[in-house]
Amino acid sequence: GDQVEQSPSALSLHEGTGSALRCNFTTTMRAVQWFQQNSRGSLINLFYLASGTKENGRLKSTFNSKESYSTLHIRDAQLEDSGTYFCAAAYNRIFFGDGTQLVVKP
Amino acid sequence: DMKVTQMPRYLIKRMGENVLLECGQDMSHETMYWYRQDPGLGLQLIYISYDVDSNSEGDIPKGYRVSRKKREHFSLILDSAKTNQTSVYFCASSRDISAETLYFGSGTRLTVL
Repeated sequence: GDQVEQSPSALSLHEGTGSALRCNFTTTMRAVQWFQQNSRGSLINLFYLASGTKENGRLKSTFNSKESYSTLHIRDAQLEDSGTYFCAAAYNRIFFGDGTQLVVKP
Repeated sequence: DMKVTQMPRYLIKRMGENVLLECGQDMSHETMYWYRQDPGLGLQLIYISYDVDSNSEGDIPKGYRVSRKKREHFSLILDSAKTNQTSVYFCASSRDISAETLYFGSGTRLTVL
């Protein structure tokens, strides 16, 4: 969407490696949520952040409201991490990014 | 168990037929949403419901209407479906409009022939 710029649009990783996904916002957002859409099409909640950093296993997310961005770091990528990752940011309503298609290769 | 349930999971209809997509949630959430997702694209907001009988158009409401007669149920209706309404439809809910955490259903894949 216009309010949320998500990058990269596509990413390929080998198993065991890592990378970062990013969402830039055109306005000050109150919170951000990250989702993984898996191979079955289901949208899985990964993180919700109003500020700071959260970590869960091999995933870590940061939200910097003042500088208008959020990142999702994936380390030690596994095959099951493949899918499309979306960020959704809240201002007066919720705005979605266009997603990052991640492929993890053996 | 926090859950958003969508029915049916798959649906095939002919152009001009009426379509009813149903969504339920067991979290007593005030706010519910309908989105559609087309291949390679993100999620587009069709309608928001703030509570029973309090609905608002999203970004792409044309060709759709909604009904929310009970807090736990939110329906999406296509009167006289069109082929360009072939898509995957997602329902979501949040505690209220100021609560940003969305919970999604598993989606309904609608094909209009």
